[in-house]
Amino acid sequence: DQQVKQNSPSLSVQEGRISILNCDYTNSMFDYFLWYKKYPAEGPTFLISISSIKDKNEDGRFTVFLNKSAKHLSLHIVPSQPGDSAVYFCAASASSNSGYALNFGKGTSLLVTP
Amino acid sequence: GAGVSQSPRYKVAKRGQDVALRCDPISGHVSLFWYQQALGQGPEFLTYFQNEAQLDKSGLPSDRFFAERPEGSVSTLKIQRTQQEDSAVYLCASSLMGGGARWLTGELFFGEGSRLTVL
Repeated sequence: DQQVKQNSPSLSVQEGRISILNCDYTNSMFDYFLWYKKYPAEGPTFLISISSIKDKNEDGRFTVFLNKSAKHLSLHIVPSQPGDSAVYFCAASASSNSGYALNFGKGTSLLVTP
Repeated sequence: GAGVSQSPRYKVAKRGQDVALRCDPISGHVSLFWYQQALGQGPEFLTYFQNEAQLDKSGLPSDRFFAERPEGSVSTLKIQRTQQEDSAVYLCASSLMGGGARWLTGELFFGEGSRLTVL
């Protein structure tokens, strides 16, 4: 069963505007969340992360918001640039988990148009 | 090179053939993961190594899948008697610290993946 869900397979945004990518999770034990960005024919690359002790983490144009009560996080990109066009994966892990896996969503394909 | 290197980049196999996929992690990285990414899906965890020890193989879909990392650096994922449902991109990732995703406080570094097509 999918413990990390990205319900929007795709998103199109105009250059300069804000992109908001959403992610929901079902496992309340998850306490660390990451966003990865993937270009075609390349491996995913780390973008930004957030620990469950925070509700916001900012890095330049990228901000991740975490709402633990709603089991929801979002990635904001502002202003969006054409080079941001890629697939974005949300991922989560649980420090109390007996396993070692990082759990990924299915991804959201972002297209930023000039 | 400085990054995670995987080979081959592309592999076409006939159903029933055995395949071996190689991963060269970043030098000195303790943790190594294998993930399977089917078309239109996110990466799905297969197995985890801490140095040479395979600490988690809960994601391996069947006993046809086998992974090893005998000297704690290079890893090989072997798939025996390939089936069409094995067609996917196989991603390898490494990180400096041990403990797997439980203690992950930063990046996993991914390779470009090996795309396997089983005919």
